[in-house]
Amino acid sequence: RKEVEQDPGPFNVPEGATVAFNCTYSNSASQSFFWYRQDCRKEPKLLMSVYSSGNEDGRFTAQLNRASQYISLLIRDSKLSDSATYLCVVNDPGANNLFFGTGTRLTVIP
Amino acid sequence: NAGVTQTPKFQVLKTGQSMTLQCAQDMNHEYMSWYRQDPGMGLRLIHYSVGAGITDQGEVPNGYNVSRSTTEDFPLRLLSAAPSQTSVYFCASSYSPQGAINYGYTFGSGTRLTVV
Repeated sequence: RKEVEQDPGPFNVPEGATVAFNCTYSNSASQSFFWYRQDCRKEPKLLMSVYSSGNEDGRFTAQLNRASQYISLLIRDSKLSDSATYLCVVNDPGANNLFFGTGTRLTVIP
Repeated sequence: NAGVTQTPKFQVLKTGQSMTLQCAQDMNHEYMSWYRQDPGMGLRLIHYSVGAGITDQGEVPNGYNVSRSTTEDFPLRLLSAAPSQTSVYFCASSYSPQGAINYGYTFGSGTRLTVV
């Protein structure tokens, strides 16, 4: 079983749409959660951390459901520049490392 | 700030050759790691280090060696390249092991390696 699982997509949405990604993680002892963004042929970059109470950064909202062990990312008013792959990331509770999901690809269409 | 610098950006090797992928950071980060990224597999941890002189294996360590003689540098050595090692390699760092958990990583720009 993979530590982190994501729907690979692709998600093709028009500009201005709202899109949501989910991810599930396998180890209930994980404590830290992130969403990273990766552009084509580039390195991953931290988009936002995910806190238990949920958190928002502009058009992006991240939520954590510990009981169901899933994390979500909501993007409102999608922009062309949001086109990228979004990686769900969870810490390895047994070591100081991070597990990365395979990513969900988003394409925002004009 | 240079951040995390990886060299080379591209490399083609023949099967059986050896090489070293370089990674350097100028942020005084204690924690450094190497990941490989393959289609459909996501990023997988190869080796990591929590400080100078300390290294440990990740999920896919076979065929790779690392050392951490200084805080700044964390080279990854391919001992005898195989086609299965064709991948994109990313070096990542964080202020501390706990910092990695709290704040995530800073990644280098990657090395695209092809083994023929």
